[in-house]
Amino acid sequence: AQSVTQPDIHITVSEGASLELRCNYSYGATPYLFWYVQSPGQGLQLLLKYFSGDTLVQGIKGFEAEFKRSQSSFNLRKPSVHWSDAAEYFCAGLGSQGNLIFGKGTKLSVKP
Amino acid sequence: EPEVTQTPSHQVTQMGQEVILRCVPISNHLYFYWYRQILGQKVEFLVSFYNNEISEKSEIFDDQFSVERPDGSNFTLKIRSTKLEDSAMYFCASSTSSGGPYRDEQYFGPGTRLTVT
Repeated sequence: AQSVTQPDIHITVSEGASLELRCNYSYGATPYLFWYVQSPGQGLQLLLKYFSGDTLVQGIKGFEAEFKRSQSSFNLRKPSVHWSDAAEYFCAGLGSQGNLIFGKGTKLSVKP
Repeated sequence: EPEVTQTPSHQVTQMGQEVILRCVPISNHLYFYWYRQILGQKVEFLVSFYNNEISEKSEIFDDQFSVERPDGSNFTLKIRSTKLEDSAMYFCASSTSSGGPYRDEQYFGPGTRLTVT
């Protein structure tokens, strides 16, 4: 069955430090993958998406993600975290019904 | 920038009562979705809606649930007789495609927190 796993429930990084949020997928064919961010009281905002082609995709707010088929991963990265990046981050894949299949989310806290 | 809106932001209801959650999708979008997130669990797909009918639904979307587009702007989720386990955050989303050849983004609303007591 199609599934998406985010192994880290909560991550804390210092402001200015680099960030990597992990996402693993289980799909039969090439997956369509997404990263969403949710700030408190807000909806889910798309950061970036991968469908095919270049395995390193750039998104908004300085985020990027790399699709690695050999590791079944689609990790989200940012070279320098800002306090405003504190939020919950969701990795998702496109399901066979056109729906999104989400991971459980990773809550990011940023230390001053 | 156009956005999906949802009302109310928080709904408290008693077990057995009917609730209607409302969503206004982005105006030129054609596909509409409901998802829910029980506290501490994953965001789960409930149903998708296109051309005034349900196109896909999950096993969660049983006979207690229904969706409707009563006019040109609103998209509603009705739970006929709420149970304690229906307590969750309900997200509405819309897109211009179903993730097929156009692979468009699903735009999400801020959610309605439903508490069943």
